[in-house]
Amino acid sequence: EADIYQTPRYLVIGTGKKITLECSQTMGHDKMYWYQQDPGMELHLIHYSYGVNSTEKGDLSSESTVSRIRTEHFPLTLESARPSHTSQYLCASMRGLSGYTFGSGTRLTVV
Amino acid sequence: TQLLEQSPQFLSIQEGENLTVYCNSSSVFSSLQWYRQEPGEGPVLLVTVVTGGEVKKLKRLTFQFGDARKDSSLHITAAQPGDTGLYLCAGQTSYDKVIFGPGTSLSVIP
Repeated sequence: EADIYQTPRYLVIGTGKKITLECSQTMGHDKMYWYQQDPGMELHLIHYSYGVNSTEKGDLSSESTVSRIRTEHFPLTLESARPSHTSQYLCASMRGLSGYTFGSGTRLTVV
Repeated sequence: TQLLEQSPQFLSIQEGENLTVYCNSSSVFSSLQWYRQEPGEGPVLLVTVVTGGEVKKLKRLTFQFGDARKDSSLHITAAQPGDTGLYLCAGQTSYDKVIFGPGTSLSVIP
């Protein structure tokens, strides 16, 4: 049973559309993260949060934004999707130094 | 720039064979994690090692953290098709900084 949930699992949208990828966790973790990963490739950190009302940009430049209004919820928004945004987006949370718990991911295709 | 290297990048072996994958860096880590990722899914944490020289076993998987806490290895004994996946190492350099390696893609052929 997953403790961190991402929706949708798959999404195909047209260029220029605004989309929000949802991520929720039930573990009460303060730290949450968004990673971008192309198939079989390494993970790139795009956003992270240490708690409510805390958000930071990661190592990979991204045109997305995030918000953290509640501990359990960390949505990612693309204001205007482009084909270059096609990728898998992984949400994760962590307590202390215990390692990440990842969601199943959202595979986004922009046509 | 802190980097984690993993080798080999790809590995295809027969069921029952043994294998070792490596994770190396010039940086010292406070802890190092290994994950396995199956296609279309998120990575799943296998183990966290914290102490230099530490060895942890998880059934047929043996993880070792280097004495200097800069490198790690994962050894699989008698590989099975269920071991197929992308193996990622991740080094934690401070309370809030985690670096992922590029991964080793393992395929175990029945």
